Amino acid sequence: KAGVTQTPRYLIKTRGQQVTLSCSPISGHRSVSWYQQTPGQGLQFLFEYFSETQRNKGNFPGRFSGRQFSNSRSEMNVSTLELGDSALYLCASSLVPGGGNTGELFFGEGSRLTVL
Amino acid sequence: AQTVTQSQPEMSVQEAETVTLSCTYDTSESDYYLFWYKQPPSRQMILVIRQEAYKQQNATENRFSVNFQKAAKSFSLKISDSQLGDAAMYFCAYRSAEGGSEKLVFGKGTKLTVNP
Repeated sequence: KAGVTQTPRYLIKTRGQQVTLSCSPISGHRSVSWYQQTPGQGLQFLFEYFSETQRNKGNFPGRFSGRQFSNSRSEMNVSTLELGDSALYLCASSLVPGGGNTGELFFGEGSRLTVL
Repeated sequence: AQTVTQSQPEMSVQEAETVTLSCTYDTSESDYYLFWYKQPPSRQMILVIRQEAYKQQNATENRFSVNFQKAAKSFSLKISDSQLGDAAMYFCAYRSAEGGSEKLVFGKGTKLTVNP
């Protein structure tokens, strides 16, 4: 069974640009959540989608947005990039939100964004 | 809001020895889940062990075990017979059991080095 696939793995952007990151969950998983990982702030929750609906959103500005498609694939978009947006963006999938009773999330390898 | 604190940014252990990673958390909820996730260098994060707050018995998974002290809000991870492959960042995480609050709250991590 293929794992969680995130694309692109690495990308470099300049301030003011926008970026779109993609996440393909494990087959059959309908929940996708996104986390931002930085050395200073650690792992912070961005948002979670289940069956194309956003269930939860973290404390990030409106420049961060996402969506989920009918095939459960998810994208997140960051507009008007700032230097502080440089981070590893992790996607995680599960059958139901939060992994249900097991609580287990399956993570991708992440997309490393560098903003210059 | 819930918080998770890992007070040891870095730890080291000799191969075959035992190491304990510390984690404390703060919550007003009575029902929740606690997790330890492992993030090897340049590889995806994987679940190591989980604990439901309503269970008094400490979880064990092979060489990994936890010491869950609910009253003290402490959740430490013990790794026995450490192996070189255990070298990674370890993250303690909290998840509410309430529906609609399925995001993970992570600590900032402990980098574990295993010396041969």
